[in-house]
Amino acid sequence: EDQVTQSPEALRLQEGESSSLNCSYTVSGLRGLFWYRQDPGKGPEFLFTLYSAGEEKEKERLKATLTKKESFLHITAPKPEDSATYLCAVQVRGDDKIIFGKGTRLHILP
Amino acid sequence: DAGITQSPRHKVTETGTPVTLRCHQTENHRYMYWYRQDPGHGLRLIHYSYGVKDTDKGEVSDGYSVSRSKTEDFLLTLESATSSQTSVYFCAISGEEETQYFGPGTRLLVL
Repeated sequence: EDQVTQSPEALRLQEGESSSLNCSYTVSGLRGLFWYRQDPGKGPEFLFTLYSAGEEKEKERLKATLTKKESFLHITAPKPEDSATYLCAVQVRGDDKIIFGKGTRLHILP
Repeated sequence: DAGITQSPRHKVTETGTPVTLRCHQTENHRYMYWYRQDPGHGLRLIHYSYGVKDTDKGEVSDGYSVSRSKTEDFLLTLESATSSQTSVYFCAISGEEETQYFGPGTRLLVL
């Protein structure tokens, strides 16, 4: 069965303390892996798409990486405004649908 | 921001009443999706559409129906609302590049 698991469920960091969020997946064939940010009371906001192992994408303090079994979202020197829930999703080859993980709630303390 | 709107944004209804949620896009994208988001479950796909009048079921489709008579509109109907359908509902759209863009959500409370 295709599935996506994110860890940890929640993470509290001090401002400036770098860390990584994990997204592990088991699918029959990966078409694409997506990262989203979701603020309370809002819809998910698209961050990155990764297609193949070894690929990396960066945006401000965020960098997403992809291997054959997992993806990491690295957060460098985070600020309080980076506090949000980060969602990972995968699209299986030959399918129109994507499967979401349950997310990691990130809280950055000033 | 992708041009997606959802209406209503908030709704309170009673068990057994029909409810219709609307998703409207201005991007002319082919694919449209309805998800529900609940604590402990994350985002789960209800139904999706891959063109006008073309729809398919998702993971949690029981108790829901959809219709798409125009490219820009995708309607989600709860024929007879139940308390288990209390949730936040999100619409998403995607073009051929596969990335899905989400609307602001509709909070539904079924009493």
